[in-house]
Amino acid sequence: DTEVTQTPKHLVMGMTNKKSLKCEQHMGHRAMYWYKQKAKKPPELMFVYSYEKLSINESVPSRFSPECPNSSLLNLHLHALQPEDSALYLCASSPAGGSYNEQFFGPGTRLTVL
Amino acid sequence: DQQVKQNSPSLSVQEGRISILNCDYTNSMFDYFLWYKKYPAEGPTFLISISSIKDKNEDGRFTVFLNKSAKHLSLHIVPSQPGDSAVYFCAATSMEYGNKLVFGAGTILRVKS
Repeated sequence: DTEVTQTPKHLVMGMTNKKSLKCEQHMGHRAMYWYKQKAKKPPELMFVYSYEKLSINESVPSRFSPECPNSSLLNLHLHALQPEDSALYLCASSPAGGSYNEQFFGPGTRLTVL
Repeated sequence: DQQVKQNSPSLSVQEGRISILNCDYTNSMFDYFLWYKKYPAEGPTFLISISSIKDKNEDGRFTVFLNKSAKHLSLHIVPSQPGDSAVYFCAATSMEYGNKLVFGAGTILRVKS
């Protein structure tokens, strides 16, 4: 299995809703990532988990809360989002926490905040 | 401050010809570079990478060239195929950056048949 899967594919939520994005990989990778991508922009790193511990938080607002229940799963909990948070949210994984490993991306979740 | 720049927003090439996508970087600490391809509604797909100890890396139709003194890299696709039409992102990193990839803005490649 060489895939990173993400659910749901699309999500529409109001500013008072609480929702979660899910990411899963079964490649044995020990580093997992959340990126945010706005239209016509490159992916921007949000969080990195290395060996199930949060290693990088790119000063992301607390309305985004990551969780790594085990080495195969990564969640992103959303609460009280703003319309400007609407974007494509990408999950990625890599073999280990070092720099020189390519990251494998999932198809993303298209989030719309009303 | 954009540390990785792809100055051509788009490129159009005839099928069978060479596609050359360019990328410049400003941070001299970057020592590992990657190219990703992205189709609409899909996540980026890793294409090819190069370490700063090399100046060229080849994988099938894809070749990446690195000019460290100019802080410039390029991706050559030969021959170009219509299925290569996608957005191409250049990314850079270093041990200092840990797991963080810094992406360029992307170049839209259209291969015309």
